[in-house]
Amino acid sequence: IAGITQAPTSQILAAGRRMTLRCTQDMRHNAMYWYRQDLGLGLRLIHYSNTAGTTGKGEVPDGYSVSRANTDDFPLTLASAVPSQTSVYFCASSDEAGGSTDTQYFGPGTRLTVL
Amino acid sequence: GQNIDQPTEMTATEGAIVQINCTYQTSGFNGLFWYQQHAGEAPTFLSYNVLDGLEEKGRFSSFLSRSKGYSYLLLKELQMKDSASYLCAVADSNYQLIWGAGTKLIIKP
Repeated sequence: IAGITQAPTSQILAAGRRMTLRCTQDMRHNAMYWYRQDLGLGLRLIHYSNTAGTTGKGEVPDGYSVSRANTDDFPLTLASAVPSQTSVYFCASSDEAGGSTDTQYFGPGTRLTVL
Repeated sequence: GQNIDQPTEMTATEGAIVQINCTYQTSGFNGLFWYQQHAGEAPTFLSYNVLDGLEEKGRFSSFLSRSKGYSYLLLKELQMKDSASYLCAVADSNYQLIWGAGTKLIIKP
């Protein structure tokens, strides 16, 4: 199956717990992104990676970390979850990055609730 | 600051035409995207404009005026399956996408 997969689909988490959201793509895209989507707000970029081995901060990076050990995987970690991190998280990828505008393709999302 | 404005919600009738507007103020411009997002699903790509003018793709068309910081998405022959949110996004000077909050389109029979 081509595309982007995310896991888990949804999760309820106690505040203070550590959580890793997984994202895998099989399109051999260079760039990957993590967004959060909250009601009434546009998608907001958390972190991105232009290529394997590099990462960068987006608009709302605080409380989140990422790694890009290989082309396919881009996990997002919440070190100590807080209720304000309750959101829907989307992973996306694009073929090119860093100096070009390329269409981003999205995974199905993870709905996270922090209590 | 950077800002993308779209109407929050619109209602239209099946078979009709609807125009969804998007105005933007960004630091630089490297193209404008429209995405469709059904409730509970991921955004999916609809169109991309980087030059002024109209791009037509089947029942959907997208228009861009860079001098006015304005775009619209035109949906013709509306179908019930077109009920969704439509997201406008602009690539800024760093090629990062700045997203509007989306327009929820409700189609009535």
